[in-house]
Amino acid sequence: AQSVTQPDIHITVSEGASLELRCNYSYGATPYLFWYVQSPGQGLQLLLKYFSGDTLVQGIKGFEAEFKRSQSSFNLRKPSVHWSDAAEYFCAVAPMDSNYQLIWGAGTKLIIKP
Amino acid sequence: NAGVTQTPKFQVLKTGQSMTLQCAQDMNHEYMSWYRQDPGMGLRLIHYSVGAGITDQGEVPNGYNVSRSTTEDFPLRLLSAAPSQTSVYFCASSYGAGPNQPQHFGDGTRLSIL
Repeated sequence: AQSVTQPDIHITVSEGASLELRCNYSYGATPYLFWYVQSPGQGLQLLLKYFSGDTLVQGIKGFEAEFKRSQSSFNLRKPSVHWSDAAEYFCAVAPMDSNYQLIWGAGTKLIIKP
Repeated sequence: NAGVTQTPKFQVLKTGQSMTLQCAQDMNHEYMSWYRQDPGMGLRLIHYSVGAGITDQGEVPNGYNVSRSTTEDFPLRLLSAAPSQTSVYFCASSYGAGPNQPQHFGDGTRLSIL
């Protein structure tokens, strides 16, 4: 079955430190890939997406993600986190054979230490 | 810019009661959807609509009804609330159903069924 795995339920990083959030998917072909962020009490906001081409994609708020086909991964990175980055981050995929319905990971909660 | 508006933000129901969660968007989006978000799980699609008068089931449709009489509104009805329906519900909209159409999310409705 198609699935999206975010292995880290929580991640704690110090303000100013670098960040990497992991996402792996299980699917035969390369799906469309997304990262969303959810701030407390709010809906989800699209950070970035990958459809094809350059495997390193830039998003909003200084985030980037790298698609690695060999690892079926789409990890989210940021060189230096800010306290305002504290939120929950969701990876999602849209397999081409599912009418592009999104399949979501369980999310990773990012905690920023001052 | 109102975007996607969900009402109410919070609701407590007794088992067996019915209610309607409202969702309205002012962006003239054709595609609208309802998700539920449960702890430790990704968002799961309940129902979706590709335009006025057209709805279809998602991954977890049982116990929920939808209708789409206008482009702007996409209400979700719980026919007979059950404790298993305690969740946070998100409505989303986009111009189309394809993955290149970013989804815009409402702020959610937190629903508790006693």
